[in-house]
Amino acid sequence: LAKTTQPISMDSYEGQEVNITCSHNNIATNDYITWYQQFPSQGPRFIIQGYKTKVTNEVASLFIPADRKSSTLSLPRVSLSDTAVYYCLVGEGNFNKFYFGSGTKLNVKP
Amino acid sequence: GAVVSQHPSWVICKSGTSVKIECRSLDFQATTMFWYRQFPKQSLMLMATSNEGSKATYEQGVEKDKFLINHASLTLSTLTVTSAHPEDSSFYICSASTRTAPAFFGQGTRLTVV
Repeated sequence: LAKTTQPISMDSYEGQEVNITCSHNNIATNDYITWYQQFPSQGPRFIIQGYKTKVTNEVASLFIPADRKSSTLSLPRVSLSDTAVYYCLVGEGNFNKFYFGSGTKLNVKP
Repeated sequence: GAVVSQHPSWVICKSGTSVKIECRSLDFQATTMFWYRQFPKQSLMLMATSNEGSKATYEQGVEKDKFLINHASLTLSTLTVTSAHPEDSSFYICSASTRTAPAFFGQGTRLTVV
C-alpha cells in the first residue's frame, strides 16, 4: 500500500551532502510529500514537507520536480548523528494518513 | 515542532492481561490520531485511524476487538491491547495530525508480553 519507493540503504561520510531520492509515480493532486527521520526505538521525527518546487528549512532541503513523481531530500554536511532511517511519505491530501515503505537506512561513516 | 507524548514508554505484561497506551498532543488539538506498530527491523504498519468522538477505522487485518481505540478528546487517544499474547509484543507508535500541518509522532511504547 506504500505509495513511495526509496533506496534501501545509503552510505556517506561525515561532512558530505547526502541526497535521497524517492519515487512516487502515482501521487495525487492533493497529496503532500513529507520526510521523517527515525532512530532505533524512537518515533519518527518530522524533517520537511512540500508540495512542489523547493522547500528549505534549517536542517534540510526538499526538491520536487514539476511532475511531482519524485522528490529528493538533501541533507547538507551530514554528521555521525544523522545515521538513521529516512522515510519519504505521501499523504492523502494533507490528512497525514501514511502507509510506510521500507525507508532508506543512511549510514554516515567517520 | 509540536509535541506528541505517549505513556508509558515501555511496559511488560503477563499473557492474557490488557494494556492501555495513551497518546497525547501536548500543544495542539489533533483532528485525527493514527496508531502504528513496528516490529524489529521493519517499517511502521498503520493499524487504525482515530477521530475524536467517533469510532476508529481499522486497517485490513487488524482486529478491532483486540486493539480497542478510544479518542475521547482532541488531545487524547488511547490504544488498549486486550488479552495480550507474546505475538503482540511490538513497538506501538501514535501520530497526531491537523489538516493544516504535518503529522507529529509520539516517542513510541515498547510492549513486551511474557
